[in-house]
Formats: sequence, C-alpha cells, structure tokens
Amino acid sequence: LAKTTQPISMDSYEGQEVNITCSHNNIATNDYITWYQQFPSQGPRFIIQGYKTKVTNEVASLFIPADRKSSTLSLPRVSLSDTAVYYCLVGGLVGGGFKTIFGAGTRLFVKA
Amino acid sequence: DTAVSQTPKYLVTQMGNDKSIKCEQNLGHDTMYWYKQDSKKFLKIMFSYNNKELIINETVPNRFSPKSPDKAHLNLHINSLELGDSAVYFCASSQGGGQAEAFFGQGTRLTVV
Repeated sequence: LAKTTQPISMDSYEGQEVNITCSHNNIATNDYITWYQQFPSQGPRFIIQGYKTKVTNEVASLFIPADRKSSTLSLPRVSLSDTAVYYCLVGGLVGGGFKTIFGAGTRLFVKA
Repeated sequence: DTAVSQTPKYLVTQMGNDKSIKCEQNLGHDTMYWYKQDSKKFLKIMFSYNNKELIINETVPNRFSPKSPDKAHLNLHINSLELGDSAVYFCASSQGGGQAEAFFGQGTRLTVV
C-alpha cells in the first residue's frame, strides 16, 4: 500500500493560490489519488480525485506528473474559510477490498 | 438531510465498559466504513462493509465488532473499553468502494476515563 508524504503545515494569505504537494513513490498502477479537506470537529470532505495529468473542478485542480510519484493540489484564491487540514490519499482495490491510507495531512492556515 | 449520521457525537465512559456507536447513511451507498482518528490526527481505516458483508478488517482488537443490519447501517460495538481507545471515530460511505468518493459523518469523540 502506497504511503504518502505531505508538508505538515503551510501558511498563506487570502486571495493567494496555494499548492500542496504530496509524494507517493510507491503508488501502484491501479491506484487513484484523492484529496480530502477536514475542518475541526468535522469529518473529511472529498475535494478532488485523479489518475494522471490534470483534473479540475469548481474548487481545486490536481496536477499529476507522468510518473505519478507525486501530485499537487492547487487551491485558487484561498479565503479564510479554506483553513483546514488537507489529506492526500492513494488507494485502490487490494485483494478484492478497498483500502485507503490517510497520511498525516497538511494544515493550511490562511491569514487575512 | 444529513447524508451520514453518527450517534452519539460525544461519548465519555469508564474503562471496562461496553459501548456502541451507530451510523446511518441515506445516500443509497453500498459500502460503509469505520475510521479511527487518533490524537495526532492520523486517520486509519478499521472496517469496510459492502452490501452488509465485511470486506476489510484491519488490525483491530477483537474487542471491536462491527455490525451491519442492512446496507444503510453500520454500527460499531466496543467491548471492555481501554484508555487507548480514546479517539474520534468516523463512519463513512461510498458507492461501489474502490476509488469512489467517500462521505463522512461528523464523528464520535470517545473518551475513556
């Protein structure tokens, strides 16, 4: 099962673009990369998922290089409400079941 | 409407007691999970059920026993609670397991004293 490595914390200011990079050197061929956001006292919330290249939705973009050993979550023009923990996950079918390992997450602090 | 709901939200109990946490999802998903988040905020999967059948059972003490009476419910029963069981327990569901987007409940903060 792939392990992920992310920065422990990041600081940003409102209106800036934030890029959080995750390393997953042992990612398997059938693994997707998924990012979740977690606010204090709440469960994680799905942000975006991708397999390769670039994926964009209404809240974020996900950049995945060709070797898939890393990925970068890009949050455009962050606001104070984006202060949260962001988890990078890799996971896939393992022995007929599904396993996902949440890494330690990146604490993003957005300042005014 | 809450998609994935857990009860109770807070649970304080003494060592040695038996307690249950209930989880219900109204999303029509066929896969449900229990995760444990410790004080360092690591989220670890404990169990996964697909259509009421156990498909993942991580290295969890036998004192933890999940029960899925139907596709919409996955309850977690814990026997002989220990101090180390103190954590936040999250229930989640997804459609089809695999890479599917998971929806999480608000969590149950269990404190064993």
